Formats: sequence, structure tokens, C-alpha cells
Amino acid sequence: NAGVTQTPKFQVLKTGQSMTLQCAQDMNHNSMYWYRQDPGMGLRLIYYSASEGTTDKGEVPNGYNVSRLNKREFSLRLESAAPSQTSVYFCASSYRDGTYNEQFFGPGTRLTVL
Amino acid sequence: AQKITQTQPGMFVQEKEAVTLDCTYDTSDPSYGLFWYKQPSSGEMIFLIYQGSYDQQNATEGRYSLNFQKARKSANLVISASQLGDSAMYFCAMRGSNDYKLSFGAGTTVTVRA
Repeated sequence: NAGVTQTPKFQVLKTGQSMTLQCAQDMNHNSMYWYRQDPGMGLRLIYYSASEGTTDKGEVPNGYNVSRLNKREFSLRLESAAPSQTSVYFCASSYRDGTYNEQFFGPGTRLTVL
Repeated sequence: AQKITQTQPGMFVQEKEAVTLDCTYDTSDPSYGLFWYKQPSSGEMIFLIYQGSYDQQNATEGRYSLNFQKARKSANLVISASQLGDSAMYFCAMRGSNDYKLSFGAGTTVTVRA
């Protein structure tokens, strides 16, 4: 049981390049999330998927797209990377909605855009 | 919208002593959940403890306890008998009943001294 896995762990891009961050969970969770973490700001939600087949914008969706490929996988795509997207990206999942459900986080992807 | 405030950017604590991390929140949602996560230097987010807004008793998990004062809108984390391995960043987070995302505070860095 690997929990939430993310690839890659580290990535360096040049401005304008594109890339996809991959996330998978093996806990049979319904909901999945993408957050970014910037110094002094905690984590902010980029996009989420409440269930397979649905995606919705979070607080900071500009410059990103997502795909819920199936129940296990939720990818985040940067179409044209900008230096402002330099951050640590976390994928998370939870069984369902409701105030109780803790979110389980992946190990993070550290992205640098030059 | 929810807002989480952690006013202590950094704290030092002596090994084996207790430390209290402050967290205040603001929400108009009558039903909500409060979470604490630990982020060691390795970067992963580790769930520590949960408190529901309707829970009558303060949550406890091993050496972690949550001092929940609903009228004051505070949810302070108490770590008892601090260990060197407790050195990390600690985040307070909240989720409303109709909210998919976790709203995070800016975090508090705890350094445990031998």
C-alpha cells in the first residue's frame, strides 16, 4: 500500500515549457486534490476532483489544467510554465467529502521555472 | 470563506518539555473540521490530529492534544514531552462542511533543543 505517489520528485523547466505532474493513490479514495506550497503561505488549492469524472477550480487555478484519468490518477499540467509557478506541488486524496475526512498527501514535487 | 491564522513563525522548545502552537480561525460555517499537519524537513505532510466543531471533548492522539475553544475560535496544538524528532513545520488547517479544500495557516516552525 503505497498511499499517494507523485512523479517526478524534482523538475527544472525553462519559461514557456510544458510538463505534467502525475499523481496516483491506491486507497480507493473518491476525492483528489492538487495544492501548491509557497514560503510563508501554507498550501493553496489549485484544482480538485470530488469524484471520478469531475474536476473543479480551487483558489489558484490560473496557468494549470488537470485530468482525472480514472479513480486512481489525477494529473496536473502546466501548459506554458512561468517563474511564478516555481513551488512545491502536493497531491492529496480523501475518501469522501465532509469535514472529517483527512486528506492524505503525496511526497511533493519541487518545481523550479527559470 | 475560511481563514486560518498562525501567529508564531518559529518556536524553540527544550527536549522533554511541552509546547503550545497557536491557531485561530474564522468561518461562518456552523459545521467544520480542524486539522493539524506536521511537515518535517524531508517535506512530506503528516496528519496529526482532527477536531470537529461539534465534538464535545478535545481531541488527543498520543503526545498531541488539541485545545479547542470554540467561542474564541482557537484550536491550539499541544505537544507534550517534546522529542528531537518533533522539529518540523506545523500547519493548522480547516475544512467547512461545504468546502472541498483545506484552508491552511502559514505554519509554525518548531525546533527542539537537546
